[in-house]
Amino acid sequence: DGGITQSPKYLFRKEGQNVTLSCEQNLNHDAMYWYRQDPGQGLRLIYYSQIVNDFQKGDIAEGYSVSREKKESFPLTVTSAQKNPTAFYLCASMGTSGHTGELFFGEGSRLTVL
Amino acid sequence: SQQGEEDPQALSIQEGENATMNCSYKTSINNLQWYRQNSGRGLVHLILIRSNEREKHSGRLRVTLDTSKKSSSLLITASRAADTASYFCAMPSGSARQLTFGSGTQLTVLP
Repeated sequence: DGGITQSPKYLFRKEGQNVTLSCEQNLNHDAMYWYRQDPGQGLRLIYYSQIVNDFQKGDIAEGYSVSREKKESFPLTVTSAQKNPTAFYLCASMGTSGHTGELFFGEGSRLTVL
Repeated sequence: SQQGEEDPQALSIQEGENATMNCSYKTSINNLQWYRQNSGRGLVHLILIRSNEREKHSGRLRVTLDTSKKSSSLLITASRAADTASYFCAMPSGSARQLTFGSGTQLTVLP
């Protein structure tokens, strides 16, 4: 079945460590997105990519980095510069040809800093 | 910048009752979407309504859009315990294909 796979589902990090969250999609979508969700709140956009080898900062990009070397993959690195990284991270994708603008989401990765 | 606000923040009803959630936004849009999120899971798209539509139905869901008031509502009829989830409105923002999400309504349907 087509969809978006995020891994790991749960991740623990010590302060000062970088961690990378994986996001893979087999929907043949051009656009991919990373959102952060804090408890009881909505989603905030971290980074997005409209096409391979190109990406743009969202509203809260500081302390995060991404790459888009393949259409299927959009990994997110949470760096030690991110002061409050404990959160639920959601990856999403969107088709861009003849499309309504609907986002397809993965199941999320929960990061906890110890 | 575009931002969605939803109310109520939380809603608790009995099974069989209807649930209504509201979303307000700031700038003109060409569509508005509603998503559902079960606890600890990803979001799932429910329905999209375009700016030239006033009402749209999908199963037990009814969405309305009032562009003059910059508001939308989601009605879930004959609710079930399985409808317990958070519901978010989302709307396009910026020049690229981005969506901005509202703050969400936490719906609890009691059996």
